[in-house]
Amino acid sequence: GEDVEQSLFLSVREGDSSVINCTYTDSSSTYLYWYKQEPGAGLQLLTYIFSNMDMKQDQRLTVLLNKKDKHLSLRIADTQTGDSAIYFCAESKDQGGKLIFGQGTELSVKP
Amino acid sequence: DTEVTQTPKHLVMGMTNKKSLKCEQHMGHRAMYWYKQKAKKPPELMFVYSYEKLSINESVPSRFSPECPNSSLLNLHLHALQPEDSALYLCASSQQKGQGPNTEAFFGQGTRLTVV
Repeated sequence: GEDVEQSLFLSVREGDSSVINCTYTDSSSTYLYWYKQEPGAGLQLLTYIFSNMDMKQDQRLTVLLNKKDKHLSLRIADTQTGDSAIYFCAESKDQGGKLIFGQGTELSVKP
Repeated sequence: DTEVTQTPKHLVMGMTNKKSLKCEQHMGHRAMYWYKQKAKKPPELMFVYSYEKLSINESVPSRFSPECPNSSLLNLHLHALQPEDSALYLCASSQQKGQGPNTEAFFGQGTRLTVV
């Protein structure tokens, strides 16, 4: 995960917006992904963004991409207790199919 | 249907045992992956299969042996494992590998392996 960095923890109150940030290093990455992992479970693909886009919105989720700064963020509107999980950003390294994950941000939602 | 099914969900094995992890998808995906995830860490790639051929082996010890019998199935054969191999083993698939459309990977729920 050294190529992709995330802060480790985020705590928000229910109903607030959450913003999870990620920086990556490989400027050739064309697709960037957000995955959610609940305790004891596998990874759930939340959304992805193509590098020629600045923003993608999908219901409560908004992804912002600043390609110049290699910065990716995931905003969750109206955060619910069910959103508590670890969120991983990932970049696709090359044509080989390898995903490079960040360390994951543990989101805690307090009622 | 975006389901990747892994069995078993939990596995405890001794260091002299031989066991296999299984992964199945019926989405017509032609790329399949094995990842290893230790607690509180991100997943790390082990193997990539593309069109049933091994295309990436991330220097994984030979005590882990992957097999892709057909386009829907992916196995991971385990032999003479060590306690430090205890982890969550995740299978994933994508329509194709690489960068670009239809390369997003869908993960199974994982097999939690404990080596005693």
